[in-house]
Amino acid sequence: GAVVSQHPSRVICKSGTSVKIECRSLDFQATTMFWYRQFPKQSLMLMATSNEGSKATYEQGVEKDKFLINHASLTLSTLTVTSAHPEDSSFYICSGSGNQETQYFGPGTRLLVL
Amino acid sequence: AQSVTQLGSHVSVSEGALVLLRCNYSSSVPPYLFWYVQYPNQGLQLLLKYTSAATLVKGINGFEAEFKKSETSFHLTKPSAHMSDAAEYFCAVSDPSQGNLIFGKGTKLSVKP
Repeated sequence: GAVVSQHPSRVICKSGTSVKIECRSLDFQATTMFWYRQFPKQSLMLMATSNEGSKATYEQGVEKDKFLINHASLTLSTLTVTSAHPEDSSFYICSGSGNQETQYFGPGTRLLVL
Repeated sequence: AQSVTQLGSHVSVSEGALVLLRCNYSSSVPPYLFWYVQYPNQGLQLLLKYTSAATLVKGINGFEAEFKKSETSFHLTKPSAHMSDAAEYFCAVSDPSQGNLIFGKGTKLSVKP
């Protein structure tokens, strides 16, 4: 099956710093990548959708200046959490899709902001 | 607009017993439907999907689901639970023309020895 990786798997940072999370599709070309956020014991909430070479489309309530998304190639998307604060601590999961039919998910990144 | 309702946030079964996880959906267009499984501190793994072909869909690990349009349901079943099936299960719906997934709130499956 299609494989998506995320790096890092876990990151701890100080409040006010920025954190970059990478999402890579290893064996397929992801024309669309999605970024989700998951709070403990809750479902996934879509943050934004990005198509390769285009600006990301953010869901209502998600600050685009705080959560910077870049999708520069068909196999790589990055999410940068700028000026992170403790309330940004969460589990961030990306997914990639090559045909709009099925999304394949990465293993997630646990972010803890102190 | 689309939505997903998973009945039962927590289901507990004995090892070897039938697993039934319920999912009902709402969609203004013919949907695609998915079941994903999530193990602790991991991402989501696709179990199976319905994309307008056969209504009975077989997935990995012995799971299957049946699309019932009249009942707007896509329940997940497995004849005999295994300890390794303990995890969180998410049902999701998408509009085929857009590809965005709408997730249910998830059902945590516990398997007792």
